[in-house]
Amino acid sequence: QVQLVQSGAEVKKPGASVKVSCKASGSTFSGYYIHWVRQAPGQGLEWMGWINPNNGDTNYAQKFQGRVTMTRDTSLITDYMELTSLTSDDTAVYFCARDRREGWFDYWGQGTLVTVSS
Amino acid sequence: EIVLTQSPGTLSLSPGERATLSCRASQSVSSSFLAWYQQKPGQAPRLLIYGASHRATGIPDRFSASGSVTDFTLTISRLEPEDFAVYYCQQYASSPQTFGQGTKVEIK
Repeated sequence: QVQLVQSGAEVKKPGASVKVSCKASGSTFSGYYIHWVRQAPGQGLEWMGWINPNNGDTNYAQKFQGRVTMTRDTSLITDYMELTSLTSDDTAVYFCARDRREGWFDYWGQGTLVTVSS
Repeated sequence: EIVLTQSPGTLSLSPGERATLSCRASQSVSSSFLAWYQQKPGQAPRLLIYGASHRATGIPDRFSASGSVTDFTLTISRLEPEDFAVYYCQQYASSPQTFGQGTKVEIK
């Protein structure tokens, strides 16, 4: 059974950075992309970007360019999303999701709540 | 970027009734690269439909979807208690991928 398991909730101060992990299990993830999507409290879904774990290629939403970095530790089968220069507007649940290079997301992580507060 | 507008914002229906949800795109969504997701409180979204009309694995056949170009529809033929949730459309035809703002289907 395919699973994406994310790291636990984080509380950060404004200006800090956060790094969220997403570990895959249950299936080979060769040929897939991993996307990151966030959801502010009571709001809709916002796409942040994707990483091709096979070669490290990334594609970030323009909104997050310069602030987000997506990486992969192949040996750990774990993907990471780091967001810097946090503000209260970054308070959200961050999800990772699998894309079989089709564009839609068939499996999702459970979400990681990141709270930015002074 | 392609803006997706979902309507209505909230749909109040009773179990057994039919739900019709709309997703309208600001530009043509090429090759019907549109998906639908269901999200319940405290949970991650779940894929229902991809390619505008193809049910994902394990999705009951009471869920159906259609549409093309700029107008897309998700239909739930007979609402079951577990179907009350928020539904999002997503276009993946062009970057950035975008989601609609969601339609909440609530119990009347």
